[in-house]
Amino acid sequence: AQTVTQSQPEMSVQEAETVTLSCTYDTSENNYYLFWYKQPPSRQMILVIRQEAYKQQNATENRFSVNFQKAAKSFSLKISDSQLGDTAMYFCAFMKHVNTDKLIFGTGTRLQVFP
Amino acid sequence: DTAVSQTPKYLVTQMGNDKSIKCEQNLGHDTMYWYKQDSKKFLKIMFSYNNKELIINETVPNRFSPKSPDKAHLNLHINSLELGDSAVYFCASSQFRGAGDTEAFFGQGTRLTVV
Repeated sequence: AQTVTQSQPEMSVQEAETVTLSCTYDTSENNYYLFWYKQPPSRQMILVIRQEAYKQQNATENRFSVNFQKAAKSFSLKISDSQLGDTAMYFCAFMKHVNTDKLIFGTGTRLQVFP
Repeated sequence: DTAVSQTPKYLVTQMGNDKSIKCEQNLGHDTMYWYKQDSKKFLKIMFSYNNKELIINETVPNRFSPKSPDKAHLNLHINSLELGDSAVYFCASSQFRGAGDTEAFFGQGTRLTVV
């Protein structure tokens, strides 16, 4: 069975600084997807970034980038130039590379960006 | 033009009652899901449907019964509500695109409070 671990329950960062959120996972699958979702106080689940395991290049979306280490089963999220609107819960998630599969979530990291 | 919409957003009810949460997606996706987020923010899959067929049932009590009248709708009916059912319930949909672009889109969640 797949598991996803987020070892940082809470993180804080000053506005404009950079912060890295950690995620590790366990799977015997060779091909899969990894995601970071953001959940602000509004409760909406918003996709931040996605990585396909067969792609060696790390995904990047504007200020958000990942460090994907497949052998180490690590998938960290880096947020550059942090903004107050980045304050939210961040969930790392795993999905097998098959149709109809489910997302398996980590326990989340609460990120607070302060002025 | 909401992609995944669920109603109601808030639901307060007494123990023992029966209630339903409705979900609709206009993305043309084949797969729909129900996830439960508990008081510690942990998200876990409950059910998934693909083209109206039940694919995943994650050991959810049989008081919970999903129903998919068509692939754009997935409703969740809960009988004999218990205090422990209090949580946020998220509907989601996805379309597996193979080597590309898979992601799950979430509804805004339904906060169920059983008193």
